[in-house]
Amino acid sequence: DVKVTQSSRYLVKRTGEKVFLECVQDMDHENMFWYRQDPGLGLRLIYFSYDVKMKEKGDIPEGYSVSREKKERFSLILESASTNQTSMYLCASSLGQGFQETQYFGPGTRLLVL
Amino acid sequence: AQTVTQSQPEMSVQEAETVTLSCTYDTSESDYYLFWYKQPPSRQMILVIRQEAYKQQNATENRFSVNFQKAAKSFSLKISDSQLGDAAMYFCAYNTPLVFGKGTRLSVIA
Repeated sequence: DVKVTQSSRYLVKRTGEKVFLECVQDMDHENMFWYRQDPGLGLRLIYFSYDVKMKEKGDIPEGYSVSREKKERFSLILESASTNQTSMYLCASSLGQGFQETQYFGPGTRLLVL
Repeated sequence: AQTVTQSQPEMSVQEAETVTLSCTYDTSESDYYLFWYKQPPSRQMILVIRQEAYKQQNATENRFSVNFQKAAKSFSLKISDSQLGDAAMYFCAYNTPLVFGKGTRLSVIA
């Protein structure tokens, strides 16, 4: 079974802090994704990556950056956390390129920015 | 831009009954994939079923089936013989990276 893990289930940070959310997948998937989930808004794509050191902006990249130095790891970085970034963050991975690929999700990180 | 609309924020169903969750989408593409994902409370999101627009036959996975109407851009999910474990948020989604609907919260009543 594919396993996608996220470094923290719950995180509390202060406004202005730099925040790192880590995601690791163990199935040699090419693609990795970061989504943000908010009540009434569903999930929205922040960034994705089709290869090591490669990244593409999603629908809401403002205030975020990403890093993919190794194939199995995809990090989401909040350069200066703000209260409007309080949310659930979901990481996902998929095997290959193509819009038909099934995504496998991590358990999510619930971030609270005070 | 592609959009996905789920018009039912919440639904409920009696155990063992059948329920249908609605989804419509908007795209100008001719070939694409549609997905239903399930997110149980405090658990990971998992794929329920997927449908390729190129195929006319509706996808089925055990108790889960879809009614795919390409011309109407409609992709509803039918859950038969509902079980308590089916209680979850259900998201309709388009392609990968996914464009999600806002979700439907399904409650199952014993």
